[in-house]
Amino acid sequence: GQQVMQIPQYQHVQEGEDFTTYCNSSTTLSNIQWYKQRPGGHPVFLIQLVKSGEVKKQKRLTFQFGEAKKNSSLHITATQTTDVGTYFCAGGYQKVTFGIGTKLQVIP
Amino acid sequence: DTGVSQDPRHKITKRGQNVTFRCDPISEHNRLYWYRQTLGQGPEFLTYFQNEAQLEKSRLLSDRFSAERPKGSFSTLEIQRTEQGDSAMYLCASSRTSGWEGEQFFGPGTRLTVL
Repeated sequence: GQQVMQIPQYQHVQEGEDFTTYCNSSTTLSNIQWYKQRPGGHPVFLIQLVKSGEVKKQKRLTFQFGEAKKNSSLHITATQTTDVGTYFCAGGYQKVTFGIGTKLQVIP
Repeated sequence: DTGVSQDPRHKITKRGQNVTFRCDPISEHNRLYWYRQTLGQGPEFLTYFQNEAQLEKSRLLSDRFSAERPKGSFSTLEIQRTEQGDSAMYLCASSRTSGWEGEQFFGPGTRLTVL
């Protein structure tokens, strides 16, 4: 079955530094979604990418979908303490497969 | 739009007991998902409904798990003969089939502890 891998599992950054998390799938994905889960909270949708090579930006967040639609990345520029949480990628529309997540800690 | 709600928020039960959780999706959403999440892991897909039809079910689910969505609105997830390994957060999510396909709205979850 489809497997979605995410690295790194943990990342500590100084406030103001950049952060990137990577997502890789064992199979071609129809789409990739990114979610953020704050400590003690539930996953909250950030964005969906569906086209090969697609790049989308949301303020300081940049999302990319690979040309082969098997990998994706999320890059945060100049992290803030409000960015703390776990970032998950997920692929599929019906049977959705989530990655293990990257837990981001931002040191003020 | 009151969001996705789940009941109860916490459930403590003894091994071998049956438990049932309820999920009320956002009213205009016809897709509903159940996930299980353990500490340090991503949500693990359990099952998916489009309206009242259960279209996908994880092979990870044993026959102790069953889910229903009888009228295409709220859904229930039942776990029979609970085991300690069932302890987890059970998340429900809903989405539409038009517009932002794929965007799922998650509920707060039901935390199950099996003693």
